[in-house]
Amino acid sequence: SYVVTQPPSVSVAPGQTARITCGGNYIGSKSVHWYQQKPGQAPVLVILYDNDRPSGIPERFSGSNSGNTATLTISRVEAGDEADYHCQVWHTSSAPLGVFGGGTKLTVL
Amino acid sequence: EVQLVESGGGLVRPGGSLTLSCAVSGFTFSSYSMNWVRQAPGKGLEWVSSISTSSSYIYYGDSVKGRFTISRDNAKNSLYLQMNSLRVEDTAVYYCARGTAAVAGTPSDYWGQGTLVTVSS
Repeated sequence: SYVVTQPPSVSVAPGQTARITCGGNYIGSKSVHWYQQKPGQAPVLVILYDNDRPSGIPERFSGSNSGNTATLTISRVEAGDEADYHCQVWHTSSAPLGVFGGGTKLTVL
Repeated sequence: EVQLVESGGGLVRPGGSLTLSCAVSGFTFSSYSMNWVRQAPGKGLEWVSSISTSSSYIYYGDSVKGRFTISRDNAKNSLYLQMNSLRVEDTAVYYCARGTAAVAGTPSDYWGQGTLVTVSS
């Protein structure tokens, strides 16, 4: 099975840039999607297909994907960005499998 | 406004069965694939299953394959998850989520609020 790895936590001061990674074997050859989840709420899609932003998501959110690492970048971090962030890839072996990373808790200091 | 409302969660004994439903509104249900995603207490997200618009393509995660069955009724704007042979490790909040395209295997752009399934003796 395909394994996707995220750091458990990332901390950043307000106004700085947060980078959350998602690692996997040749993940650069797959499409990566990112979700934001605040406590007690359902996830929200913030980046799809590596670097597309859904309507309503601030331009401060961007993504990249190359080699064995995909990265979610949040510029000019705000207190309201504090949340869990989950990456997802679709891995196709005999059938498509939707694989999530373990999630990263972003703390705004 | 797009809405997805899950129902059917609750407490069930190990080995038991449960059927979850997801009623949708605010979009043309028959034009989008659908996903079930779960989250165990204090844990990350786990993809459970996906279904294409016409139910022609259905996929399951390894942990539920052979025990869970996804289905949809486009006339009723509803998605279902039949869960059999439930295990303690199936305890989670189950989310219904819309795929971004007709084909299964796409990201989820709208999510319900989830329904809690607790498997315990």
